Amino acid sequence: DVKVTQSSRYLVKRTGEKVFLECVQDMDHENMFWYRQDPGLGLRLIYFSYDVKMKEKGDIPEGYSVSREKKERFSLILESASTNQTSMYLCASSLSTGGYGYTFGSGTRLTVV
Amino acid sequence: DQQVKQNSPSLSVQEGRISILNCDYTNSMFDYFLWYKKYPAEGPTFLISISSIKDKNEDGRFTVFLNKSAKHLSLHIVPSQPGDSAVYFCAASAYNNNDMRFGAGTRLTVKP
Repeated sequence: DVKVTQSSRYLVKRTGEKVFLECVQDMDHENMFWYRQDPGLGLRLIYFSYDVKMKEKGDIPEGYSVSREKKERFSLILESASTNQTSMYLCASSLSTGGYGYTFGSGTRLTVV
Repeated sequence: DQQVKQNSPSLSVQEGRISILNCDYTNSMFDYFLWYKKYPAEGPTFLISISSIKDKNEDGRFTVFLNKSAKHLSLHIVPSQPGDSAVYFCAASAYNNNDMRFGAGTRLTVKP
C-alpha cells in the first residue's frame, strides 16, 4: 500500500525553537507539497517541490523553509516557531504536474506554546 | 485571496437523502477540479475529479457537476450514508501547474 508518512502525529514546541517536520513518500513521486490546515481557511499551500533540490513558494511561505535532498523526503522547517504557526500540517505527493490527485499523509498537529 | 471558495462550513442531511456540496472558484486558468474527503486525524483522500472539458462526472453514489461559465462546481452524494460524514474539500489546479488550491471545506453530517 503506497504511503506518505509524516514522522510525528503530535508535536509541542516552544516559541523560538527551530522545528523540523519530516515527510517521506514511497511512490517515487516527483512532486511534494506542504500545506497547513486551519479552521475556516482550509488547506493553504506553504511550499512545494517538483524535483530534488528544487522548491517553490506557495501562498504562505513566510516563517518557513523546506529541504529536499532526496526524492522521497521533503522537510518543512520552522526557523523560529511562533504561536501563530500552531496548526495541522499536511504533506502530500503527486506523480506529475497539475490535474492529478495528491496522496496525503495523516498530518502533524503542531502546538507552539 | 482564496481562489477556491466553499461558502457553507457545514451541512446536515438525513440518511438516504441527497447531499449537495458547493464550490466556487475565481481563477479562470483552473481546468481540473477535485473533491477530497477528510476524516478526523487522517489526511484528505481523493474522492472524485472532473476536467474542464466535461460538465459531469459520476462514480457510484458521487457525481460532480461543473458549470464553467458560473465558475461553480458541486458534489452530489445520493443516497447519503452515515459513513459519508466527514469534511469535504474542493480543490482546483491548472494543467501546467504543479500546485493545487483548496477551499475551506464543508463538514457534512449524515444523520441516521
